[in-house]
Amino acid sequence: SQTIHQWPATLVQPVGSPLSLECTVEGTSNPNLYWYRQAAGRGLQLLFYSVGIGQISSEVPQNLSASRPQDRQFILSSKKLLLSDSGFYLCAWSEDRDDQPQHFGDGTRLSIL
Amino acid sequence: GNSVTQMEGPVTLSEEAFLTINCTYTATGYPSLFWYVQYPGEGLQLLLKATKADDKGSNKGFEATYRKETTSFHLEKGSVQVSDSAVYFCALSDSDSWGKLQFGAGTQVVVTP
Repeated sequence: SQTIHQWPATLVQPVGSPLSLECTVEGTSNPNLYWYRQAAGRGLQLLFYSVGIGQISSEVPQNLSASRPQDRQFILSSKKLLLSDSGFYLCAWSEDRDDQPQHFGDGTRLSIL
Repeated sequence: GNSVTQMEGPVTLSEEAFLTINCTYTATGYPSLFWYVQYPGEGLQLLLKATKADDKGSNKGFEATYRKETTSFHLEKGSVQVSDSAVYFCALSDSDSWGKLQFGAGTQVVVTP
């Protein structure tokens, strides 16, 4: 069966520090991959999605970037974190079909001090 | 563009009560529809889905029917439990969208003993 792993679960970082969040998927090949941010008490905002290695689409302009160095690995990064980057970050994967659901990781709670 | 509108919460009800969460959508193509549930501090879990008009998705006592004529996908459960307390998200995936989901804002449900 397929599984998705996201780490770390929680992270506290100072303003201006770099960020790297990692997500890996097991048990499937060539998945679509997604990064979301969820602000406290609010809905989900799609940040990036990827349909293949090295292919990244950004949904909103921001201080973050994403990379997909391997088929089942998706990384969210920042060179300098802002206070506004705080939130709950979720990685998800889906099969490359529109009628298939996305499957989410457990999320990373990021607090910027 | 596509959009999903959910009833605002929080919805507070007693154990064994009937639950309905309204969800309506707009889409340019022929979307697939999903309900996700998020328990406190966790990622999203797929609750149920429907991929074409008149399909009924069901899981764990929850049901939702894809109504094309009213562009709706209301979530229902006949008898809720305290463990159903969570945030519920309605979402759609349109055709040719690389599996990207358009989420509603989420509805918090609180079930009291």
